[in-house]
Amino acid sequence: QTVVTQEPSLTVSPGGTVTLTCASSTGAVTYANYPNWFQQKPGQAPRALIYSTSNRHSWTPGRISGSLLGGKAALTLSGVQPEDEADYYCLLSYGVAHWVFGGGTKLTVL
Amino acid sequence: EVQLVQSGAEVKKPGESLKISCKASGYNFNDINYWIGWVRQMPGKGLEWMGIVYPGDSDTRYSPSFQGQVTVSADKSISTAYLHWRSLKASDTAIYYCARGYGLATIDYCGQGTLVTVSS
Repeated sequence: QTVVTQEPSLTVSPGGTVTLTCASSTGAVTYANYPNWFQQKPGQAPRALIYSTSNRHSWTPGRISGSLLGGKAALTLSGVQPEDEADYYCLLSYGVAHWVFGGGTKLTVL
Repeated sequence: EVQLVQSGAEVKKPGESLKISCKASGYNFNDINYWIGWVRQMPGKGLEWMGIVYPGDSDTRYSPSFQGQVTVSADKSISTAYLHWRSLKASDTAIYYCARGYGLATIDYCGQGTLVTVSS
C-alpha cells in the first residue's frame, strides 16, 4: 500500500513564507507523479490549487507555487495571509487513474 | 462555467443500498479526455481517493481500498456520474466529493460534497 506523507501541522506568521512537502513511500516524487495540491477550509469542499507539479489554476494566487524539492513535491505560500489558514492536501499519481492523497497539513497563520 | 453539482445528504441504515450523483455542466462531459473521480472524507479525517470513471467509454478504476466496496458509473446522456453502494456499513459515514480530472495530470473542479450518514 502506497503511503503519501505530509507534515501534520505547520505554523506561519502573517506575511511570512512557508513550504509544505509531500513524500512518497515508493521513493522520490517525480514529475511523473503529477503532483496536485488542494486547499480545504472548514466546512468547505476542497479547492484545487496546483496541478502537474507547478501549474497554477486560473484562480490560484501568484504567491502560491508548486515545485519538486529534495525528492518531494512542495507547495510554497509567500506573503501568507490570514485566509490561507486551512488544510492542504497533495495528491500523487502512481499510474493511469491511480491516485493517492497525502494525510494533509493543517496550516495555522499566527 | 464548469460546475459539478452533487445530490443531497442521505441518511441510511446498515445494509441498505445507495447511489449518489454528480451532475456536470459547462464542458463536454463525453470528451474522452475528461474523467470524474470520487473522494471520501470521514468525519474529522483527511481526503481519500476512491476511484474514477471515464464517461466517454465508461471505463472505471478503483483504489485498492475501495475495490469491491463501491461502484462508480456515468450516464453520458445526462452528464452525471454516480457512486453506488450495494450494502452500506456504519463506517461508510462520510462526506463524498466528486472531482473533474483531465488527461493524466490535472484535477480542477470539485463538487460541493454529499454527506452520507449510515446509522441504525
